[in-house]
Amino acid sequence: SQQGEEDPQALSIQEGENATMNCSYKTSINNLQWYRQNSGRGLVHLILIRSNEREKHSGRLRVTLDTSKKSSSLLITASRAADTASYFCATDARGGADGLTFGKGTHLIIQP
Amino acid sequence: GAGVSQSPRYKVAKRGQDVALRCDPISGHVSLFWYQQALGQGPEFLTYFQNEAQLDKSGLPSDRFFAERPEGSVSTLKIQRTQQEDSAVYLCASRGFGGGYNEQFFGPGTRLTVL
Repeated sequence: SQQGEEDPQALSIQEGENATMNCSYKTSINNLQWYRQNSGRGLVHLILIRSNEREKHSGRLRVTLDTSKKSSSLLITASRAADTASYFCATDARGGADGLTFGKGTHLIIQP
Repeated sequence: GAGVSQSPRYKVAKRGQDVALRCDPISGHVSLFWYQQALGQGPEFLTYFQNEAQLDKSGLPSDRFFAERPEGSVSTLKIQRTQQEDSAVYLCASRGFGGGYNEQFFGPGTRLTVL
């Protein structure tokens, strides 16, 4: 079963704008990751944030984590057409086991 | 190879047929994972190997699903007597030793369509 829920399910913005996606999860985690998926390249790892971190940056990406609310956000600044894809959060909340638990994803469309 | 590869990329099967899906992980990666992704959904965990040992198969949906990794490198996911609900993209991922942060590298997937 899916662990988390991404919000919104779909998002369409103009190129150059910022895109924010949210993820909620249900159980305790060690870390949370964001992945991008498009038809051309499959699932690609974007960024990982550990449970004792609150914010992390990587290029145009900014991730926040609030473990008290069991939620995370992914901000993409200065969006580009190439950012069009589905974005998934994934947690390691499997009781110590190693498989990832993914949310349902946010489908992001960047309009030129 | 440079990344995780999977074959075939597309597979069409008639209901009741058996299928075998192959995954070649990144060379030297100890951990290997299989996920199932239904249309419009996120991937769902199926099973996990560390070297040749299958340490977790709790996500396999039925006893028609079987996975193996006999030499600790290439893995095969086999589905017997396929059903229409098995139609999905099957993703393989690998992770290197000491991957405490659990970053997994995914292959392109095999899209299985059961008619």
